[in-house]
Amino acid sequence: SQQGEEDPQALSIQEGENATMNCSYKTSINNLQWYRQNSGRGLVHLILIRSNEREKHSGRLRVTLDTSKKSSSLLITASRAADTASYFCATFTGGGNKLTFGTGTQLKVEL
Amino acid sequence: DGGITQSPKYLFRKEGQNVTLSCEQNLNHDAMYWYRQDPGQGLRLIYYSQIVNDFQKGDIAEGYSVSREKKESFPLTVTSAQKNPTAFYLCASSAQTSGKQETQYFGPGTRLLVL
Repeated sequence: SQQGEEDPQALSIQEGENATMNCSYKTSINNLQWYRQNSGRGLVHLILIRSNEREKHSGRLRVTLDTSKKSSSLLITASRAADTASYFCATFTGGGNKLTFGTGTQLKVEL
Repeated sequence: DGGITQSPKYLFRKEGQNVTLSCEQNLNHDAMYWYRQDPGQGLRLIYYSQIVNDFQKGDIAEGYSVSREKKESFPLTVTSAQKNPTAFYLCASSAQTSGKQETQYFGPGTRLLVL
């Protein structure tokens, strides 16, 4: 089973609106990462939040982490059509550098 | 896509044929990874290598093989034993700092199709 589960599976919004995606995980973590994937392309790292952080910002991205609930959220503010992509959360499991990915949220931003 | 290249972009495999996917990085990263992605799914780890001449199985290694003879290169062979090879294959690399889990950087992927 997936370590991370994203919610919702798909999200469609209008340009300019905010988009929120959630991720739940099962085991204790040192950090949680969010990645973006444009259709048919590789993944691009967006942001990493450590277990001792509660919130982190990067441009229009805001990530929160609640270790007591084993959940994280990614907020994209003032969305643009170019934000259309799949977004994945990922955590390290089993020690070392083994990243485990969730199933992703497909975001569509319409003009 | 950073300093990681994958080739080819598309690959067609005939029944019973072994095929090799290339992954090269110029980031001076010690660790490299291969993932498989099926439509609408997340990534699953096939093999990973934390140092030259060493590699470990991931979660779905059956039907695949790898080698790590050079730091820059981590080719993946999809063997005839892999019964359902049609998927999108992604290679990644990361720096290897002792005790610290690092961000992974991905290549553009190879789409493998079975004829």
